[in-house]
Amino acid sequence: KAGVTQTPRYLIKTRGQQVTLSCSPISGHRSVSWYQQTPGQGLQFLFEYFSETQRNKGNFPGRFSGRQFSNSRSEMNVSTLELGDSALYLCASSLDVGQGARQYFGPGTRLTVT
Amino acid sequence: QQQVKQSPQSLIVQKGGISIINCAYENTAFDYFPWYQQFPGKGPALLIAIRPDVSEKKEGRFTISFNKSAKQFSLHIMDSQPGDSATYFCAAIQGGFQKLVFGTGTRLLVSP
Repeated sequence: KAGVTQTPRYLIKTRGQQVTLSCSPISGHRSVSWYQQTPGQGLQFLFEYFSETQRNKGNFPGRFSGRQFSNSRSEMNVSTLELGDSALYLCASSLDVGQGARQYFGPGTRLTVT
Repeated sequence: QQQVKQSPQSLIVQKGGISIINCAYENTAFDYFPWYQQFPGKGPALLIAIRPDVSEKKEGRFTISFNKSAKQFSLHIMDSQPGDSATYFCAAIQGGFQKLVFGTGTRLLVSP
């Protein structure tokens, strides 16, 4: 079975722009979560989607948003990029809701904001 | 309440030695404690996990020790190998939820 795939793997954007990151979960997995990883803050939960609905959101500003499609694929969007948004954005999928203990992570998208 | 504290920040161990990483949590609602291993350019991968009703879990060279009363848990890597060189994260999660709360990570270097 193919793992979680994320596209693009690397991205360079300018402050003030917006960006969309994509995540394809493992086939059959219906729950998708997003995490931000930075050297300073570590791994922080962004949000969680199941059945096209956001079930939980971390402590991030409204510039961070996401959505999930009927095929379970997910996208996250960051608007009005700031330098501090430079990070590795990780997507994780699990078979069903409430199975956070069995999440599988993708390789991440490395976003650099200049 | 949601924090998981991890130490040390970095660790150098000789090949064949024991690597020990410690974590502590506050939220007693957490009921599952996984450890993740991350190599450069990769996402975290689940290594081993434990529930608080068990004091120890061993899988190959990796062992988790859990002290429920102290709200602490640790990862022991026996016979550490250069291939174990990676960043290790402890985490905690509350049953029925998706949100993993991660420790700050430990960069392990196993010298040949």
